[in-house]
Amino acid sequence: SQTIHQWPATLVQPVGSPLSLECTVEGTSNPNLYWYRQAAGRGLQLLFYSVGIGQISSEVPQNLSASRPQDRQFILSSKKLLLSDSGFYLCAWEGEIYEQYFGPGTRLTVT
Amino acid sequence: LAKTTQPISMDSYEGQEVNITCSHNNIATNDYITWYQQFPSQGPRFIIQGYKTKVTNEVASLFIPADRKSSTLSLPRVSLSDTAVYYCLVGPNTGGFKTIFGAGTRLFVKA
Repeated sequence: SQTIHQWPATLVQPVGSPLSLECTVEGTSNPNLYWYRQAAGRGLQLLFYSVGIGQISSEVPQNLSASRPQDRQFILSSKKLLLSDSGFYLCAWEGEIYEQYFGPGTRLTVT
Repeated sequence: LAKTTQPISMDSYEGQEVNITCSHNNIATNDYITWYQQFPSQGPRFIIQGYKTKVTNEVASLFIPADRKSSTLSLPRVSLSDTAVYYCLVGPNTGGFKTIFGAGTRLFVKA
């Protein structure tokens, strides 16, 4: 069966520091992968999606970037965090009927 | 993309059937309707997807009238553990990157 991992689970970072969040998927090959951010009490904001290695599409301009160095690995990065980058970051992979399966998430607090 | 409208919140009691309606007046011919459930500090979980009439699985039923301008998620005999946010999404069945998670419906199940 397919599983999706995200780490770290929680992160507290100062403003201006770099960020790297990792997502890996097991049990499926060449999945479509997604990064979302959720602010407290709000819906999900799609940040990036990827249909394959090295193929990244950005939905919202911001100081975040994403990379897909391997088939089942999706990384979210930032060179300098802003206070507004705080939130709950979720990675998801896409199933056969285009439904999405989410990882456990990373709660990021920028101080 | 078809815009969806859901109630912000609903209350219910244990053992009752809960129906959450989603309006999507400008749904396109190739759009599918997908519902997700999200618990606090977790990623959304796929519940059910449908195109027309009725779809049922072990968790819920999805009712879609002939004009497809609305849909109703039915949760039979809810329990306290069904307290969550429920999202209705409408989009083409060609890739989840075209779907948008709104604010959802916050369901409170009381004892």
